[in-house]
Amino acid sequence: IAGITQAPTSQILAAGRRMTLRCTQDMRHNAMYWYRQDLGLGLRLIHYSNTAGTTGKGEVPDGYSVSRANTDDFPLTLASAVPSQTSVYFCASSDGESDTQYFGPGTRLTVL
Amino acid sequence: GQNIDQPTEMTATEGAIVQINCTYQTSGFNGLFWYQQHAGEAPTFLSYNVLDGLEEKGRFSSFLSRSKGYSYLLLKELQMKDSASYLCAVKDSNYQLIWGAGTKLIIKP
Repeated sequence: IAGITQAPTSQILAAGRRMTLRCTQDMRHNAMYWYRQDLGLGLRLIHYSNTAGTTGKGEVPDGYSVSRANTDDFPLTLASAVPSQTSVYFCASSDGESDTQYFGPGTRLTVL
Repeated sequence: GQNIDQPTEMTATEGAIVQINCTYQTSGFNGLFWYQQHAGEAPTFLSYNVLDGLEEKGRFSSFLSRSKGYSYLLLKELQMKDSASYLCAVKDSNYQLIWGAGTKLIIKP
């Protein structure tokens, strides 16, 4: 692994189902983030984690949860998916100097 | 509220120069980033400005004026591969990034 990986690449999900999007980084970055990106809108922060064991809410946290059991992994869970959660989801991590964020390849999620 | 404004779309010619503007109103300022995002791909880091002035990196330069809440990204000697969206993001007083909606740059031969 080099950088950040996300899985799955894409997913079609029935409304009401539970779904976990996976994110793993090997850069030993302390901070990690989950964003959603919708057409015409900027990236919107869902949840973040400044270090393993801590998480925080971003701009649009409702309907999502995260955990940070270790430095490398930061999964995002949709407890009961709704169509408005159809989006492209990006995971990112940042170093501790400039806080430059590095992004995973994204997960394209469609909720029907 | 917090706001980042960028033009939605710009068109330029291969070999030319283009300037993409970004204005911001945020609760505090701790730096401004520019990212490039090709269609269907993840954003990739281009530049970071925290002090006023121009930062040059090859064909790309980024300028910041904190007093005016203004930045621009300058792309020189445009190539077809520069067709992408360019995202402006400001790090606010909570050290979170506030993102603009991005400027889609179309390069014509």
